[in-house]
Amino acid sequence: DAGVIQSPRHEVTEMGQEVTLRCKPISGHNSLFWYRQTMMRGLELLIYFNNNVPIDDSGMPEDRFSAKMPNASFSTLKIQPSEPRDSAVYFCASSLGAGQGDQETQYFGPGTRLLVL
Amino acid sequence: EDQVTQSPEALRLQEGESSSLNCSYTVSGLRGLFWYRQDPGKGPEFLFTLYSAGEEKEKERLKATLTKKESFLHITAPKPEDSATYLCAFQGSGGYQKVTFGIGTKLQVIP
Repeated sequence: DAGVIQSPRHEVTEMGQEVTLRCKPISGHNSLFWYRQTMMRGLELLIYFNNNVPIDDSGMPEDRFSAKMPNASFSTLKIQPSEPRDSAVYFCASSLGAGQGDQETQYFGPGTRLLVL
Repeated sequence: EDQVTQSPEALRLQEGESSSLNCSYTVSGLRGLFWYRQDPGKGPEFLFTLYSAGEEKEKERLKATLTKKESFLHITAPKPEDSATYLCAFQGSGGYQKVTFGIGTKLQVIP
């Protein structure tokens, strides 16, 4: 079975450019999460979607960040304009859905390593 | 604010030398305590979920246990392939609660 798919795997861009990260969740999963991982702060939740609807975007750093989920099999995280402090690894994760027990176990993609020069 | 602390930050073991990793958390009610393994350059890989104090789960050389305020990941007779960063995370109870991750423990097992 295919896991969570992310693209690109690596992105190097210059400050001020627009960056778009893509995610395809596991088929049948209704919840999708975007995380950012840095050495200093570890994994931080940016935004959580349930059934394609944003439920919690309190972790989105500022207006430069936006996320969409137009359908159950695709999500994007966009940074515009990008800044050097946005350099990090961005992970997408999915789970069966909100509920109890193992439904909420999150499965992670391989991540996108972003470097903003 | 709910917090999770992992210790030690790094651990170096000889092959076969058993040890434990600690995860302590402060939350009023716990829905789930999660353990993940992360290899360099990869995403976190799910290991276990624990739901209540006293619960234990095992997988190969790993055993996770849970008390009211902390969880342990016991590694028995580790092998070099167990080298990774182990992440602990918790989710509070009551409506929507996000999963909060610790910084992780970086384990190195030397042959």
